[in-house]
Amino acid sequence: GAVVSQHPSWVICKSGTSVKIECRSLDFQATTMFWYRQFPKQSLMLMATSNEGSKATYEQGVEKDKFLINHASLTLSTLTVTSAHPEDSSFYICSAIRGGQFFGPGTRLTVL
Amino acid sequence: GESVGLHLPTLSVQEGDNSIINCAYSNSASDYFIWYKQESGKGPQFIIDIRSNMDKRQGQRVTVLLNKTVKHLSLQIAATQPGDSAVYFCAESPYNQGGKLIFGQGTELSVKP
Repeated sequence: GAVVSQHPSWVICKSGTSVKIECRSLDFQATTMFWYRQFPKQSLMLMATSNEGSKATYEQGVEKDKFLINHASLTLSTLTVTSAHPEDSSFYICSAIRGGQFFGPGTRLTVL
Repeated sequence: GESVGLHLPTLSVQEGDNSIINCAYSNSASDYFIWYKQESGKGPQFIIDIRSNMDKRQGQRVTVLLNKTVKHLSLQIAATQPGDSAVYFCAESPYNQGGKLIFGQGTELSVKP
């Protein structure tokens, strides 16, 4: 099956710092990846669509300068949370398309 | 029984019973629907999907029913096991939006041994 990995699986950072999360498709190439965030006991909320070789498409209300997305290769998309604040603490999940959508294991971000 | 918590509805069933999890979707233009299972601290895991030209699809121990008239989706799990305990999300994929998924609110299934 299609395998998607994320790194790191969890990260703790200080307020004001930037954090980069990687999403990789391990056994297939993905021209499109998606980034979601999920708060405790809530559903997944789509943040943006990451397109290889072009700019990401952000959902309404998601700040593109806050959440930088780079999809530089067919197997890697990165999400950088810039100047993180405690309210950015969340579970960030990526997915990649191969037929259907396959999800990574998620990254738990805690901003102190 | 089923109850609504602060954020996630919960469904509690006895091991061996059948479970039915319901979902209302929002976009009449959606033509593809998926059920995902999410265990604590993990990413969603595909269970079963259905296209809008069908009203029922069966997998191993799971059945998805689609009622487009009322925009309703359900997941039936037969002979529920403790390992089925998780949060279940339905997701809809609007037509011609590049595979984008819109997730429903989710239901937490608790299976009592």
